[in-house]
Amino acid sequence: DAGITQSPRYKITETGRQVTLMCHQTWSHSYMFWYRQDLGHGLRLIYYSAAADITDKGEVSDGYVVSRSKTENFPLTLESATRSQTSVYFCASSEDGDQPQHFGDGTRLSIL
Amino acid sequence: LAKTTQPISMDSYEGQEVNITCSHNNIATNDYITWYQQFPSQGPRFIIQGYKTKVTNEVASLFIPADRKSSTLSLPRVSLSDTAVYYCLVVSNTNAGKSTFGDGTTLTVKP
Repeated sequence: DAGITQSPRYKITETGRQVTLMCHQTWSHSYMFWYRQDLGHGLRLIYYSAAADITDKGEVSDGYVVSRSKTENFPLTLESATRSQTSVYFCASSEDGDQPQHFGDGTRLSIL
Repeated sequence: LAKTTQPISMDSYEGQEVNITCSHNNIATNDYITWYQQFPSQGPRFIIQGYKTKVTNEVASLFIPADRKSSTLSLPRVSLSDTAVYYCLVVSNTNAGKSTFGDGTTLTVKP
C-alpha cells in the first residue's frame, strides 16, 4: 500500500548514543519533513528536504543530522542523544512545498 | 514568514457548528492557508487548504476574507469524534520549510 512509514515506532536508548529514525514514503513526493512534538505542544520542524540531496534546517535542528540520497527515504540521526531529545518524532511528505503534508504514525523516543 | 495565532482551547456540544479562527497578519502573496487535525498518539491529518474566499469539502469549510489576514475553519454539526487539536498553517513554495504549527486549538466536544 502507498503511504509513509516510520520505524521504529518506539525506541528507548541512553544518553550519548547515536540513534537513527527511519522514514519511507511510496508516493515519490518531492518534499519530506521531520518534526518533533513534545508532550502537550505543537510540532516543531527539525529538518526538511525539497528533493534528493537537498536538505535545510528547521527551527530546532541542533543535535540532529539528516540525509536524503533517495527520494523515498529521509532518515533522521541523533548523533549523541540527550534527555532533552526525548519526544515523539513525526515524518511527513508532500508533493510540493505548498501542498498538504502526509504524516507517518510517529516514533516515540525515550532517552534515559 | 507568517506566524499564526489561534485560541488555545474551545468547547462545543454535539450537533453544533464550530468555528476556529486563525490570525496570520503577515501572510504573503504566495502563501496558502492549511488546516490539520490531530488525535492523540497520531500524526496530523490534512483537513482543508485555501488561498482566498471560501473553500468547502466533505468535512469542513474554510473562510478567508479579502485581506487574508485571518481565516476561519468551520466544522458543521460536530460529534464527539471531532475532539482533537486543530492546527492552522501558512505555507508557500518559497518557504516550505519555514512554516510553523504552533500549539494549535484543542477542541473538546461534549455530549
